Amino acid sequence: AQSVTQLDSHVSVSEGTPVLLRCNYSSSYSPSLFWYVQHPNKGLQLLLKYTSAATLVKGINGFEAEFKKSETSFHLTKPSAHMSDAAEYFCVVSPHTGTASKLTFGTGTRLQVTL
Amino acid sequence: EPEVTQTPSHQVTQMGQEVILRCVPISNHLYFYWYRQILGQKVEFLVSFYNNEISEKSEIFDDQFSVERPDGSNFTLKIRSTKLEDSAMYFCASSDGGERTDTQYFGPGTRLTVL
Repeated sequence: AQSVTQLDSHVSVSEGTPVLLRCNYSSSYSPSLFWYVQHPNKGLQLLLKYTSAATLVKGINGFEAEFKKSETSFHLTKPSAHMSDAAEYFCVVSPHTGTASKLTFGTGTRLQVTL
Repeated sequence: EPEVTQTPSHQVTQMGQEVILRCVPISNHLYFYWYRQILGQKVEFLVSFYNNEISEKSEIFDDQFSVERPDGSNFTLKIRSTKLEDSAMYFCASSDGGERTDTQYFGPGTRLTVL
């Protein structure tokens, strides 16, 4: 069984400051981990994906995430927030890398970016 | 860039009525999925479909639900007799059959409102 815990339901940052969205996961297997973003009234867009090739994963729009097995964490970061980053972010786990398995979503973190 | 599309974007129906939600997956993808998100709750897996068969389904996906790939491009979710608690955003997703099989691409969703 797998699960995902997003530690913050809401994060507010000022434009130009760093972003940190926290995620912890639990999986019995060798999982794939993802971050998806959902802008208002839009679908779920893939930001980045971790398999096992590298622990630091770079995604779109300047986001990156670091896989830490010892901490079972997969936190999402961005050095400098932009107003357009305001959205809901979901940490997601798939139990088996490379297979068509169901995804398990976290509860989401709403990122607010202020001037 | 290829996208998953869904129609309609919003469907309003009376309790007890049948609804069909439609999806056009990315054209060369082989695996298809439905998820739903009740307002304020997590995105939940409903069903996965491959080679004209259901490959996995959740407890939510009971006899009231069915999926079909009626032709080479569409993938549908039918709810036979809608209940108030079926009100949710329904997302379709697809993934390819290669090494990125675990990477699911989502459509924009259909908001179903049951009155």
